[in-house]
Amino acid sequence: EVHLVESGGGLVKPGGSLRLSCAASGFTFSDYSMNWVRQPPGKALEWVSSISSTSGYMNSADSVKGRFTVSRDNAKNSLYLQMDSLRAEDTAVYYCARLLLTTAYMDVWGKGTTVTVSS
Amino acid sequence: EIVLTQSPDTLSLSPGERATLSCRASQSVHSNLAWYQQKPGQAPRLLIYDASNRATGIPARFSGSGSGTDFTLTISSLEPEDFAVYYCQQRSSWPLTFGGGTQVEIK
Repeated sequence: EVHLVESGGGLVKPGGSLRLSCAASGFTFSDYSMNWVRQPPGKALEWVSSISSTSGYMNSADSVKGRFTVSRDNAKNSLYLQMDSLRAEDTAVYYCARLLLTTAYMDVWGKGTTVTVSS
Repeated sequence: EIVLTQSPDTLSLSPGERATLSCRASQSVHSNLAWYQQKPGQAPRLLIYDASNRATGIPARFSGSGSGTDFTLTISSLEPEDFAVYYCQQRSSWPLTFGGGTQVEIK
């Protein structure tokens, strides 16, 4: 069965850092591009970052550019999001998601990990 | 950035009724639009991609239509498990963007 499991969320002070991980299983991880998507409490979904299957292409939303870095380790079937200089507005549930085929639609999602930025 | 506007914000319907949800793009996204369903405390689930293609395992009561700037998600006859929030998402250009969501609630 295809699974994505996020970890690494928690409470952090403004200006702090966190590293999120996403463990993939049940499919050939190295064949798929991946996304991070977040959802602030009670609000809509927001795309955060994308990374291609070989890490040759990466892209991030302007709201996190220069602060968040997406990466992956295909040998470990893992996706990462390094989050630095965190702000209160980064508070959200963070989901990792697999991209469908060669599209930018997301067909498999993890359950999410919660990041709270507060003093 | 392409802005997606969903309407209505909330749709109050009874089981068995037809639901029609709208998503309007600020510029043409051609057919590069998807619909997701999200239930409380759960991750989103892909329903429709490329405007009208049902994702794997999605029941036939869900259908999508439209192109350019105007899109519709139709649920032909609401089942109890269909009461949820629905989001549209475009992949026509970066950044990827989502609509604000439509909540389908039990009347």
